Amino acid sequence: EVQLLESGGGLVQPGGSLRLSCAASGFSFSNYVMTWVRQPPGKGLEWVAVISASGGTTYYADSVKGRFTISRDNSNSLLYVQMNSLRVEDTAVYFCAKCGDYGGKPLDSWGQGTLVTVSS
Amino acid sequence: DIQLTQSPSFLSASVGDRVTITCRASQGISSSLAWYQQKPGKAPKLLIYTASTLQSGVPSRFSGSGSGTEFTLTISSLQPEDFATYYCQKLDSYPRTFGQGTKVEIK
Repeated sequence: EVQLLESGGGLVQPGGSLRLSCAASGFSFSNYVMTWVRQPPGKGLEWVAVISASGGTTYYADSVKGRFTISRDNSNSLLYVQMNSLRVEDTAVYFCAKCGDYGGKPLDSWGQGTLVTVSS
Repeated sequence: DIQLTQSPSFLSASVGDRVTITCRASQGISSSLAWYQQKPGKAPKLLIYTASTLQSGVPSRFSGSGSGTEFTLTISSLQPEDFATYYCQKLDSYPRTFGQGTKVEIK
């Protein structure tokens, strides 16, 4: 069974930094593209970033480009996102998700999410 | 960037109703679209990918259609467990934008 467990969320001041982790199990992590998606309280889903299976290719939403860095540790089945220069509008539940290796690579497994609150 | 617009944003329906949600892309995306269901406090769940392929384990009352710029998600007979928010997502290129969501509530 695929399991994704996010951690690292919490309260941070504007301008601060935070690193989220996602521990993966139940599948061959190093073979799959992985994604971060976020959801501000009471609002819709926002795609944040993606990383290739090898870690060599990444893409970001314009809203986080230059501030967030997605990375992975395939030896330990871990996905990360380093978030710098955080803004109030980055407040959200952050989900990690596994991309299927079929049909456009939809997000076929999701973690339960971790809440990041950016506030003074 | 390509934008996705869902309609309606809110839908009130009864158990047994046929429900249709539309997702329109600002440019053509072939059949590169997925649909997700999200219940309050839970992670989204993949329902359909490549516009019309049902994900394993998803009930057959869910179906998807469309290509290019207009797509639909249909629930043939709404069940109590289907009251949720539904999102479309483009899968053709990055950024993989989501629609703004359609909340399906009980009438």
